[in-house]
Parts: sequence; C-alpha cells; structure tokens
Amino acid sequence: EIVLTQSPATLSLSPGERATLSCRASQSVTNYLVWYQQKPGQAPRLLIYDASNRATDIPARFSGSGSGTDFTLTISSLEPEDFAVYYCQQRWNWPVTFGQGTRLEIK
Amino acid sequence: EVQLLESGGGLVQPGGSLRLSCAASAFTFSDYAMAWVRQAPGKGLEWVSDISGSGTNTYYADSVKGRFTISRDNSKNTLYLQMNSLRAEDTALYYCAKKRGATGGALEIWGQGTMVTVSS
Repeated sequence: EIVLTQSPATLSLSPGERATLSCRASQSVTNYLVWYQQKPGQAPRLLIYDASNRATDIPARFSGSGSGTDFTLTISSLEPEDFAVYYCQQRWNWPVTFGQGTRLEIK
Repeated sequence: EVQLLESGGGLVQPGGSLRLSCAASAFTFSDYAMAWVRQAPGKGLEWVSDISGSGTNTYYADSVKGRFTISRDNSKNTLYLQMNSLRAEDTALYYCAKKRGATGGALEIWGQGTMVTVSS
C-alpha cells in the first residue's frame, strides 16, 4: 500500500499570503496524484487531478506540481474561503490511498 | 447539474447489515466509474471501493474485503454498497463519488454522504 504523508499537519496563514502544502508518497505514483478541499460539514471537492490539472471551476490561484514521490499544492494568494482541510490522494495503484490531511487555518 | 444522493444509512448493531444507495442524475451513469469513500467522525478520508462503468471490475479496501459488495444498476442510475458483518470501526459518513472516466480517474463529483453508525 502506498502511504501518503502530508505536511505540515496545520498551516496558519493570513488572507493574501501564499500557501504551500506538501504530499510525499512512499513510492512513485508517477503523476497520478489528486488534491481535494474539504470545508466543515461539506463533502470534499476536487481541486487538482493528475498532479497539475485544475478541475472545472477551480480558481487559477490553485496550482499543483510534482511527480514521482513529491507533490505540492500552492495557493498563490489566500482568500477567506480557502481556509479548509486539504487532502492528497494517489490513484496509481490499488488500494487508492489518501493523505491524512493538512488543515489550513486563519492566523 | 450533476448530482449524487446517498441514502440507506442508519444505526445498526455489530454484525448487522445495511445497503447504501446512491442515485445519480444529469450524466450518462454507465460512462463513469464510481466509488465509495468514508470518513469516520473527526477523521480523514478512507477509500472503500470502486466499480467500473460497466460494473465488470470492482476493487475493495482490505478493511472491507469479504464483507462489503459494491454494485450498480445502470438502468436505474444507481450505485449500491451492501455492507455485511458490520463492526464499530465501520462507523462513518459514507460518500459516493463519480470518477472522471469509465475505468478510473479522480473523484470528480461527491454526494453529501449518508451516516452509518454501528453500535449496540
């Protein structure tokens, strides 16, 4: 099973700042890495698929990069609605696995 | 608008069974793989099971293999999860999700979830 480790566990930033979230895989997942956002009481929402492709209606301030084992989700300038929990997920092989999440909180 | 509506959750005793349903609308259901993902209270996301668009291929997490069965009825645009031999650790909010492709892909659209509580 591929283990995904997200860091940091919690990130405290202010609106307007740049956020950088990391996801490291225990073995290569090529580019089959996905990012989701989840707000309290809501279902997760797809942000980025296959490492760097923004999903439909996702603002351009969200970007993904990386390949192999190291991936990054960047939010270029935080908006108030971006404070949430972010999960990475690999779909390279079975079983599908998720990271433990990074909580992005307002400083 | 693409929508997924889960139902069938509830309170069940350990060892009991439940069948979850997920009604899909506004897309060609048989063209897309589907998945179940769960989230225990206050915890992260855990993938449970996948099924291809045709229903031919199914996949399970080790934690549910042999106890849960995923299926779909493409004539009814509905996804199912039959859960048997339920355990306390199966307590979670169960989401169904539409994948981006017929055989796989990211989880593009999610339902709002149905809560399963396993307790005596």
